[in-house]
Amino acid sequence: DAKTTQPNSMESNEEEPVHLPCNHSTISGTDYIHWYRQLPSQGPEYVIHGLTSNVNNRMASLAIAEDRKSSTLILHRATLRDAAVYYCILSSSGSARQLTFGSGTQLTVLP
Amino acid sequence: DSGVTQTPKHLITATGQRVTLRCSPRSGDLSVYWYQQSLDQGLQFLIHYYNGEERAKGNILERFSAQQFPDLHSELNLSSLELGDSALYFCASSVVVGGGPYGYTFGSGTRLTVV
Repeated sequence: DAKTTQPNSMESNEEEPVHLPCNHSTISGTDYIHWYRQLPSQGPEYVIHGLTSNVNNRMASLAIAEDRKSSTLILHRATLRDAAVYYCILSSSGSARQLTFGSGTQLTVLP
Repeated sequence: DSGVTQTPKHLITATGQRVTLRCSPRSGDLSVYWYQQSLDQGLQFLIHYYNGEERAKGNILERFSAQQFPDLHSELNLSSLELGDSALYFCASSVVVGGGPYGYTFGSGTRLTVV
């Protein structure tokens, strides 16, 4: 699977938008971009995924660059419960597709 | 509750012992994945089963084995335990190979402590 690069940590103020970046310059045409988050002492939780177009769901938005070499997870109004490690993962549609987790971004939300 | 059930939640055992971790996938999900999370290694993929068949192996030690039963629940067996096997073990399930439109659903994990 292609590699992703994320900042180790980010801070945000409560009730403000958060933009979490992810670089994936070696992404292939069949790679989906997945985002998961892991709250303290819990298992990872699916957030959103996409292939080429921007995606929205009740949790977040995913903005994908036109060349697909980067993407941004957008939390529209951060809450204290959004403090977690956020993982950006590429998964090829042609593989067995187990998820390969990197080190992720530790998001701290300040009250 | 994610729908993926892992038991036990906590397990403390001695070095050299053998333990079995159990995972019940979300209803209807055919794929089960096992992951190990330790402080220094992050989340490491161990093994994937689909409808009873092994589909992929990751960094799984020879002392570890797994299986998926006809009712789709899965067990991860860890034997000859060492201190370094202390970790959180997560199970995830998905409806099709590759996660489908809703991704993978993870359980809350089993915390294994080897003393």
